[in-house]
Amino acid sequence: EPEVTQTPSHQVTQMGQEVILRCVPISNHLYFYWYRQILGQKVEFLVSFYNNEISEKSEIFDDQFSVERPDGSNFTLKIRSTKLEDSAMYFCASSPRLWEQFFGPGTRLTVL
Amino acid sequence: AQKITQTQPGMFVQEKEAVTLDCTYDTSDQSYGLFWYKQPSSGEMIFLIYQGSYDEQNATEGRYSLNFQKARKSANLVISASQLGDSAMYFCAMKKEYGNKLVFGAGTILRVKS
Repeated sequence: EPEVTQTPSHQVTQMGQEVILRCVPISNHLYFYWYRQILGQKVEFLVSFYNNEISEKSEIFDDQFSVERPDGSNFTLKIRSTKLEDSAMYFCASSPRLWEQFFGPGTRLTVL
Repeated sequence: AQKITQTQPGMFVQEKEAVTLDCTYDTSDQSYGLFWYKQPSSGEMIFLIYQGSYDEQNATEGRYSLNFQKARKSANLVISASQLGDSAMYFCAMKKEYGNKLVFGAGTILRVKS
């Protein structure tokens, strides 16, 4: 069964460094998303992406975040200058339509 | 604005018994969807089931069913014949019909006892 994949599974970085989180959505899906979950807290929406552009973003998704679909398969989230409070699990999700979303296994980001 | 409330921080159930996880929601939208996800200790988010606001029948997927009561704005998850592997965090979520973002509740930790 096709699934969303994410790399790396765990990323450790120093405060102020740039990180790129990578995702390969399910191949025939059209809608892509990033969410984050700070340890012990709710899952929060960051951004959605459709037709090569951002379709919606939350107030969390400020200028230090960006997303890109550099080719036909990858979908990336870049954090330009990481802060301690960016430490979280980051989930990529994809969907074939604007309904159920399928999540990847997540990337645990630790900012030191 | 949409809001999901899960009032049970934790639940225990005996193996092979049924369990209901509560979810209430608040929205001013007329058309929306309600979703349940399972998050095992390994951390991934597994989609379980969804219900559209205009669906008259309650959704079912194997041992999972969604008890949808629109007037009460509740969308409870019922797991029948609980298994040890059902032990996990369960999140209720909702979104507008043509919206992008899922809004999640705080989750309920379910522990299945043998």
